[in-house]
Amino acid sequence: GQQLNQSPQSMFIQEGEDVSMNCTSSSIFNTWLWYKQDPGEGPVLLIALYKAGELTSNGRLTAQFGITRKDSFLNISASIPSDVGIYFCAGLRSADGLTFGKGTHLIIQP
Amino acid sequence: GAVVSQHPSWVICKSGTSVKIECRSLDFQATTMFWYRQFPKQSLMLMATSNEGSKATYEQGVEKDKFLINHASLTLSTLTVTSAHPEDSSFYICSAAGIGDTIYFGEGSWLTVV
Repeated sequence: GQQLNQSPQSMFIQEGEDVSMNCTSSSIFNTWLWYKQDPGEGPVLLIALYKAGELTSNGRLTAQFGITRKDSFLNISASIPSDVGIYFCAGLRSADGLTFGKGTHLIIQP
Repeated sequence: GAVVSQHPSWVICKSGTSVKIECRSLDFQATTMFWYRQFPKQSLMLMATSNEGSKATYEQGVEKDKFLINHASLTLSTLTVTSAHPEDSSFYICSAAGIGDTIYFGEGSWLTVV
């Protein structure tokens, strides 16, 4: 099935740095979702975006739904060790399952 | 908030046997649930869409006779891997649509076929 183009594939950063990742698609989605997955666990929803152009924050996380409905970015400010994990973007069309990006592996060096 | 629960968390079975994985929405009704498969270091791949009271819709390349899906109630969907083989070993995750088109995931089930 289709996948979203998510980048970067991995990030090695220092604790306290800001993080930015994004997803693009050739197709339009009605909803964009960002998830974090820890090893051996299911993805946990971080932020949901429902309107084109919408900018939403959740603590240190900020995400935006692109105006064209074909892209989204996620920013994490002042990273901390527990931010380590794999972050997935996902697009949703009504009645369809989610289409996922390939994930961004975030590694934080103390 | 909405919670989706999967059981079992992990299972080891012998090659040729069948394994059933349950997915329950605990505090909301889900007419549609989704089943995904994830190999190590890869993203989640949608296997099928499970609709309450009707047949599941399978993605291209997913064998419907091998991965049996039953969505018998608004809070329960099951995935049965029939005649399991080692190549079926994977992490299986379900999800359900809650309020406002938000998708919530179960904890996942590790299947190892020996």
